[in-house]
Amino acid sequence: DTGVSQDPRHKITKRGQNVTFRCDPISEHNRLYWYRQTLGQGPEFLTYFQNEAQLEKSRLLSDRFSAERPKGSFSTLEIQRTEQGDSAMYLCASSLVGGEGYGYTFGSGTRLTVV
Amino acid sequence: RKEVEQDPGPFNVPEGATVAFNCTYSNSASQSFFWYRQDCRKEPKLLMSVYSSGNEDGRFTAQLNRASQYISLLIRDSKLSDSATYLCVVSNAGGTSYGKLTFGQGTILTVHP
Repeated sequence: DTGVSQDPRHKITKRGQNVTFRCDPISEHNRLYWYRQTLGQGPEFLTYFQNEAQLEKSRLLSDRFSAERPKGSFSTLEIQRTEQGDSAMYLCASSLVGGEGYGYTFGSGTRLTVV
Repeated sequence: RKEVEQDPGPFNVPEGATVAFNCTYSNSASQSFFWYRQDCRKEPKLLMSVYSSGNEDGRFTAQLNRASQYISLLIRDSKLSDSATYLCVVSNAGGTSYGKLTFGQGTILTVHP
């Protein structure tokens, strides 16, 4: 599979629990992005990595959110002490440097439901 | 004001109809423009890039007016399979410079028999 992979596809968790999502980008892509999409809205930018460096974070990424890309390959997004407002689709995308002018390729997303 | 604003929709059209979506953006530094399509509970997928000269891909035509900061998408001869949400997207990416994608809220299209 040469696309962007995300795991898990679905996650149901109780409020207050911690969750972690994983994204495996296209192998040669050095840029990786996380977005969040709530019902009826377009995706919103959360954070961006170039290789292992996290270069930009949105104000949407509260202190309860942390993202890592330790070896410049896969990335994880952790949400601590989940709240019902965290329920959303979390999307990952990747690109090559200079490739954004052609748009990104998104993974299938992780749908989080906080109950 | 949102950075990218789209027609609120939804649009309900019969098969064979022509439908047009409009979008405006506020960041004059934007350099790249796209339409994405998103099926229900799926990820967004790139439909087409949008260029100042206008571009066409089969039944789909996209236009960009930089002076008015306006983007459009025209779908001719609508098919049932065109039913989806259409997302207007802008980016200040160009060359090797990084630019995040900024999405509109999307417009829902339903094509009925």
